Amino acid sequence: DIQMTQSPSSLSPSVGDRVTITCRASQSIRNYLNWFQQKPGRAPNLLISAASSLQSGVPSRFSGSGSGTDFTLTISSLQPEDFATYYCQQNYDTPYTFGQGTKLEIK
Amino acid sequence: QVQLVQSGAEVKKPGASVKVSCKASGYIFTSYFVHWVRQAPGQGPEWMGRINSSGGGTSYAQKLQGRVTMTRDTSTSTVYMELSSLRSEDTAVYYCARGAFDIWGQGTMVTVSS
Repeated sequence: DIQMTQSPSSLSPSVGDRVTITCRASQSIRNYLNWFQQKPGRAPNLLISAASSLQSGVPSRFSGSGSGTDFTLTISSLQPEDFATYYCQQNYDTPYTFGQGTKLEIK
Repeated sequence: QVQLVQSGAEVKKPGASVKVSCKASGYIFTSYFVHWVRQAPGQGPEWMGRINSSGGGTSYAQKLQGRVTMTRDTSTSTVYMELSSLRSEDTAVYYCARGAFDIWGQGTMVTVSS
């Protein structure tokens, strides 16, 4: 199975901060990488697919980059509604594994 | 609108089976795979498997092989996930998601407890 490792596991930024979350795959997954946002009691919400393709309706402050094994999710200016847990997921090969998550907590 | 609507919460005893449904609407059902993903309390999501809504072919996570069965009914645009020989570690919220993980059901809580 392909292992997905996210860092950091948690973060306490302030509103307006630039936030960067990294995700590393245990082998090359080309650009088959999704980013999700999840709020308590809700299903994950797809933000970015194919490593850098922003889903319709997702604010432009979110962006993704990377290919191969190293990927990044960036929030350019954190807003109050962005406090949530973020997961990366590879959809290169089954089983489609997720990272362990990065929780953004209010400072 | 495009949506997936799941069946309600279940409480099961260890050793029993559970069958969760996921009804699709707002899109051509047979044009997309459907995945099942579960999330134990306080944990990250775990991909369980997927079903081809058109042909019915399946792919399951190795750790669940032999216990999980995914089926579909094209006449009602519904996908089913059955998990057998339940144990406490299967307590989780179970989600269905459309092929690109762009649309998710609301989740179904399955509690396994004696």
